[in-house]
Amino acid sequence: GQSLEQPSEVTAVEGAIVQINCTYQTSGFYGLSWYQQHDGGAPTFLSYNGLDGLEETGRFSSFLSRSDSYGYLLLQELQMKDSASYFCAVRDPMDSSYKLIFGSGTRLLVRP
Amino acid sequence: DAGVTQSPTHLIKTRGQHVTLRCSPISGHKSVSWYQQVLGQGPQFIFQYYEKEERGRGNFPDRFSARQFPNYSSELNVNALLLGDSALYLCASSLLGTAIEGFGQGTRLTVV
Repeated sequence: GQSLEQPSEVTAVEGAIVQINCTYQTSGFYGLSWYQQHDGGAPTFLSYNGLDGLEETGRFSSFLSRSDSYGYLLLQELQMKDSASYFCAVRDPMDSSYKLIFGSGTRLLVRP
Repeated sequence: DAGVTQSPTHLIKTRGQHVTLRCSPISGHKSVSWYQQVLGQGPQFIFQYYEKEERGRGNFPDRFSARQFPNYSSELNVNALLLGDSALYLCASSLLGTAIEGFGQGTRLTVV
């Protein structure tokens, strides 16, 4: 089976840096994705790591270590609008549907 | 370019009724997936369709069914609604095999 674990809640101050961790257990692996979801909204794609290392997209970076089955999302220069839920997700290549399996999400609260 | 569009945005149904949710994928996308997101949880995979054929099915009862039309739009049907079916139903489209999926804004279903 597949499972992903991430912290349920993280609080940080505006302008700071925060890291959201994700560990996964999958029978196969085809990359780790990160999604942001504001209350009442749809998940929006943030980042994807298919290989080990760091991917940077503006204020957001994502890291993957396949040997450790571990990844993280790094948010820099936090803004109030970054308050949202963040989900890590994997896609199982052994399944022809390529379905996404999501973690339960990390709720980020950015304080002034 | 229009993103994934879903209708209706909100719906209230009574236990035992059935519901049909609709989704139009991003132009050019031939794959549509449906996810259920219960409050406080990550999205859970229900179905994926590609070229009108079911490619995958999640762990949902037979009360849930779906289909994809020649124009690649899709319907999700749920029969004999239960209170536990109350959730945000998300539709996602993709070019099959890519890591990025665009999600619609979802249909918020409330069963009373």
